[in-house]
Amino acid sequence: DVKVTQSSRYLVKRTGEKVFLECVQDMDHENMFWYRQDPGLGLRLIYFSYDVKMKEKGDIPEGYSVSREKKERFSLILESASTNQTSMYLCASSSGPSSYEQYFGPGTRLTVT
Amino acid sequence: KQEVTQIPAALSVPEGENLVLNCSFTDSAIYNLQWFRQDPGKGLTSLLLIQSSQREQTSGRLNASLDKSSGRSTLYIAASQPGDSATYLCAVLMYSGGGADGLTFGKGTHLIIQP
Repeated sequence: DVKVTQSSRYLVKRTGEKVFLECVQDMDHENMFWYRQDPGLGLRLIYFSYDVKMKEKGDIPEGYSVSREKKERFSLILESASTNQTSMYLCASSSGPSSYEQYFGPGTRLTVT
Repeated sequence: KQEVTQIPAALSVPEGENLVLNCSFTDSAIYNLQWFRQDPGKGLTSLLLIQSSQREQTSGRLNASLDKSSGRSTLYIAASQPGDSATYLCAVLMYSGGGADGLTFGKGTHLIIQP
């Protein structure tokens, strides 16, 4: 079974702090993704990566950056956290090109105060 | 820009009923469509994946169909059980040609199965 893990289930940070969210997958998938989920807005894509050291902006990249130094690990970085970044963050991975089925981690509920 | 709509937004039915959840998308040039389940406060569990060349997929009591030309998919749940209570999300993948792209999600159908 594919396993996608995220470093924290719950996180509370202060405005202005630098925040790191870590995601690890164990299935040698090429592609990894970060989404955020907000009530009324649904899931939206922040960034994705289709290879080590490669990254692509999603629909809402402002205020975020990412890092992918190893194939299994994809980090989301909030350079200076703000209250409007309070959200549920979900990481996913997929393999291609046979299916591109995406598998999700358990999510990190981030609160910025 | 791809838009995905799910109807109804919420549904409550008695245990044992068969039910249908609907998903529509505006751009028919999709690579695949996935149905997910999400329990409160949890991540997403993939239920079914339908490739653009397929018409349907089945897993146990679940059956998903795809009509790409009309931009529609349905998720059929047979003999519903209280454990099926969750939010069901539909998502489509547009193949960018340079590699995988992110999914575009609907806002989900919140399903309650009454015992």
